Amino acid sequence: GEDVEQSLFLSVREGDSSVINCTYTDSSSTYLYWYKQEPGAGLQLLTYIFSNMDMKQDQRLTVLLNKKDKHLSLRIADTQTGDSAIYFCAELNQAGTALIFGKGTTLSVSS
Amino acid sequence: DAMVIQNPRYQVTQFGKPVTLSCSQTLNHNVMYWYQQKSSQAPKLLFHYYDKDFNNEADTPDNFQSRRPNTSFCFLDIRSPGLGDAAMYLCATSTRDRGLEQYFGPGTRLTVT
Repeated sequence: GEDVEQSLFLSVREGDSSVINCTYTDSSSTYLYWYKQEPGAGLQLLTYIFSNMDMKQDQRLTVLLNKKDKHLSLRIADTQTGDSAIYFCAELNQAGTALIFGKGTTLSVSS
Repeated sequence: DAMVIQNPRYQVTQFGKPVTLSCSQTLNHNVMYWYQQKSSQAPKLLFHYYDKDFNNEADTPDNFQSRRPNTSFCFLDIRSPGLGDAAMYLCATSTRDRGLEQYFGPGTRLTVT
């Protein structure tokens, strides 16, 4: 079946880089996503990557995709206290109709 | 600004008392979704509409129903809420032809007493 796994917590110091990792099971996934959720708010789409790419960069965000290992990562350069949030990895389901989310990684940034 | 709006942000209902959560969008997207998110868990899809075409997930309880009277509005009805239905309910929209970029509302936190 389709499943997405993430580590639950990550703690970094302000100015350092953060790397959040995710593994997924469905090798036929066409799109993979990163969402951010701040306390009391909905999910905000940060970026997504198509399965025929292995890297995507958008300002401070870098997404790396290793299709062979079914591993997705999100790197945040120069992490700021405002980056503290829960980050969800998601894959598009086989039917192409909805997203399968991981449980989220809580990123804590200390100054 | 184009957006997804959910009302109310916080809803308290009694065990067994029907409750309706609402979602509206100004994005003119043809797909609308309802997710349930329990504490420290992943959002779980309940159902979605593609235009007026309703699609229920196989494991969504019958207690949960939905209505979409027009493109802009979608409602989640919980016919007889149980304590286990306390959660954050998230509405999202997308257009089918954009690889499912989903845009989420802020959510409604439901408490069942």
